This record gives sequence, structure tokens and C-alpha cells, in this order.
Amino acid sequence: DAGVIQSPRHEVTEMGQEVTLRCKPISGHNSLFWYRQTMMRGLELLIYFNNNVPIDDSGMPEDRFSAKMPNASFSTLKIQPSEPRDSAVYFCASSLASGRIEQFFGPGTRLTVL
Amino acid sequence: GQSLEQPSEVTAVEGAIVQINCTYQTSGFYGLSWYQQHDGGAPTFLSYNGLDGLEETGRFSSFLSRSDSYGYLLLQELQMKDSASYFCAVNSANRDDKIIFGKGTRLHILP
Repeated sequence: DAGVIQSPRHEVTEMGQEVTLRCKPISGHNSLFWYRQTMMRGLELLIYFNNNVPIDDSGMPEDRFSAKMPNASFSTLKIQPSEPRDSAVYFCASSLASGRIEQFFGPGTRLTVL
Repeated sequence: GQSLEQPSEVTAVEGAIVQINCTYQTSGFYGLSWYQQHDGGAPTFLSYNGLDGLEETGRFSSFLSRSDSYGYLLLQELQMKDSASYFCAVNSANRDDKIIFGKGTRLHILP
């Protein structure tokens, strides 16, 4: 069974450009999480969905960030416009059911904003 | 606020035992989990403690004391492949999927 799939794996863009990161959770998992990881701030939860509904977006840094989950097998995280301080590794993770503590992480997208 | 404290780095020798501590302050507490992350890789789940005591999984064990807001990860018979970062994470509410991660402990293993 495939794990969590993320694309692209690497993204280099210029400041001001729109960036869209994509995630396909493990089939059957109904919770999906977006994280950002940097050396300075560690692993931060940005937003999570349960059954395609956003439950907690308190970690989304600002209005430039938005996330959607149109169906159970796909989610996007969009940054518009991007800034150099958004450079980080963005992970998507999924878990099987509400209250389950084991999360399965995708390989991440390394974003560099010049 | 919510915070988790763990050492930033730990160094140990191959074949030895190492303990990585984690203390937490959260508005609620449901359980403590541990994740491993190799350089360039993704975090992977290692263990979970919902109740006080020791949980053992092969060479790895995890301990929790709820009264002390404290837990640790114990790695035995260290191997070079155990060189990685280890994160403790708190699940602060029952049936809430949100978990808060510590900053991670970088484990260096010397031959």
C-alpha cells in the first residue's frame, strides 16, 4: 500500500509567486495534517482536516496561506504570494481515525523562495 | 501556553544505552508519543504512552509519568542507524487529532 504522497518533492520559486503543494493521504485515513519544519521553529502544525473538514487552522501563519481538501484523497496547501521566510520543508501526514495518535508522514516538499 | 522541552543534542557510543528526556506543559494531556526522523527523511512513529509506566518495543522503550509531566525514550544496543532526531509529541485532548511536537533531540552515535 502506498504511503502518503506529496508533490512536488522540491520547489524553487521567486518571491511573490504562487506556490501550490499537493498531498494524497493513505487510502481510508480520514484525518490529514499539514506541517512546516524549519531549523528555527521545529515542526509546526499549520492546519488539520477531519473527514475533509478543516478542524484547526490556528497554525496557519497568515492570510497568504490557504489549504483545501476537496475530497478524501486530495489536499492542497497554497501560498500566495510567497516570501523568502516561507522557505521550509512542508510535510503532509494522515491518520486512520479521530483520536488515533499515530500519524503517517509523507516525504515532504522542500520549498525555497528566492 | 503549551511547551515541550527536550535536549537539543545527545551523544552516545555504539552498543550503549541512551535516554532522551521530555518534559511538557500543556493545557490538557491525553498521551505522549515519540517520532524518529533521519536527515532528509520524514518523521516516523515510534511509540505512545497513554498511561504511566514503561512501553517496550524491541530495542526502544518509552516511559511516562503523568504526575511529573515527564517522559523519556530509551534506546538500547545503539546502532549507527539510530543516528537521527527524536521528537516527543503531546496529544492534548481525547479524540482530538492535534499533537504538539517538541523541537527534537539530535542523537549522535560514535563508533
